[in-house]
Amino acid sequence: KAGVTQTPRYLIKTRGQQVTLSCSPISGHRSVSWYQQTPGQGLQFLFEYFSETQRNKGNFPGRFSGRQFSNSRSEMNVSTLELGDSALYLCACGLAGSPDTQYFGPGTRLTVL
Amino acid sequence: GNSVTQMEGPVTLSEEAFLTINCTYTATGYPSLFWYVQYPGEGLQLLLKATKADDKGSNKGFEATYRKETTSFHLEKGSVQVSDSAVYFCALRWNAGNNRKLIWGLGTSLAVNP
Repeated sequence: KAGVTQTPRYLIKTRGQQVTLSCSPISGHRSVSWYQQTPGQGLQFLFEYFSETQRNKGNFPGRFSGRQFSNSRSEMNVSTLELGDSALYLCACGLAGSPDTQYFGPGTRLTVL
Repeated sequence: GNSVTQMEGPVTLSEEAFLTINCTYTATGYPSLFWYVQYPGEGLQLLLKATKADDKGSNKGFEATYRKETTSFHLEKGSVQVSDSAVYFCALRWNAGNNRKLIWGLGTSLAVNP
């Protein structure tokens, strides 16, 4: 079966711009979580969506937002980009009732200049 | 709060050497524990997991035992291969309902030389 798809894979933006990243989960997986991965901070949880509702949120400023659509696809948006937002953004999906099994996408590499 | 500490890398070994990557955690209650692996240019993959004390997770020759008394979940493999070269992450999930938030260690890079 198809895996988790993230688009785009690479993105270059400048400070002050905004960006939208997309994640298409495995068919039937209704939970989508987002993580930011940087060399200094490692992997940090951004938020989790389930059935179009945000169920959990990490400690990121309000510039980071997300949503989930009825087909379980999810987007995250970062507004007013800062240099420190340069990172690999990963999404993970899972089935309802199986919180210990999550599948990760390849990530979107965002570079802010 | 909940946290994960794993040994810093990089770790460099020769093929067929024994591998240990240490991981300790701080958490309330009884979290689920995981090891994920990230191969070069690929996404994170679940390597193994354990959901309660004394459970042993195993996969592809790797093992880790959930030790509640020492709050540890060390990763071991008896004989590493060049193909095991990757970054290994220890993580925990606090068991509260359907909470899926993973808390991660910083990762340990492993390089295996032929």
